[in-house]
Amino acid sequence: DAGITQSPRYKITETGRQVTLMCHQTWSHSYMFWYRQDLGHGLRLIYYSAAADITDKGEVPDGYVVSRSKTENFPLTLESATRSQTSVYFCASRKGQGNSYNEQFFGPGTRLTVL
Amino acid sequence: AQKITQTQPGMFVQEKEAVTLDCTYDTSDQSYGLFWYKQPSSGEMIFLIYQGSYDEQNATEGRYSLNFQKARKSANLVISASQLGDSAMYFCAMREKGAGGTSYGKLTFGQGTILTVHP
Repeated sequence: DAGITQSPRYKITETGRQVTLMCHQTWSHSYMFWYRQDLGHGLRLIYYSAAADITDKGEVPDGYVVSRSKTENFPLTLESATRSQTSVYFCASRKGQGNSYNEQFFGPGTRLTVL
Repeated sequence: AQKITQTQPGMFVQEKEAVTLDCTYDTSDQSYGLFWYKQPSSGEMIFLIYQGSYDEQNATEGRYSLNFQKARKSANLVISASQLGDSAMYFCAMREKGAGGTSYGKLTFGQGTILTVHP
């Protein structure tokens, strides 16, 4: 089915382990985003990408790495997971150019627990 | 300073009545956009409504309307004729132009308001 998918949907890992969260969209949207959602903070931007091989930091990038070798995929890697990275992670994509109106479409989220 | 402020952690409304969820924002950009998203207990983010800073009329989408008061920097969501299915978390978000003239559309979110609709 077309849309934006995330995998895994649930993940439990241990402190210090590397974890990769996958995001895939079938619309060929140029822009993709990773947010984390924590109680009391709403959603906060981790990284974003304007196109393949173009990425930039958001509000809370520390401890995360992203790549975008293909337009449709935008994986997020926690290089050495910490308990503070326990959160719900949302991937999103957007079609439009620059500042024109285009809504962001969100994936279903990945609930990550770091023990 | 918070860019997006939602001062109501929780709101209650009776079924079939209208409810207003508050949102104030802070930006120095002239060109920006304001969004509302709904997050039910299942967790997905559902887009509800959008208001551009240059739009002269308040946005409406079915039972949702956005009360945009630019001078006050507020963008309140009004839900008319509330339904039980409206019970959810609601987020206000802003897209700014940002440094360099483009933001790539990234959003800044408020902390959210939990709406409970009573039968």
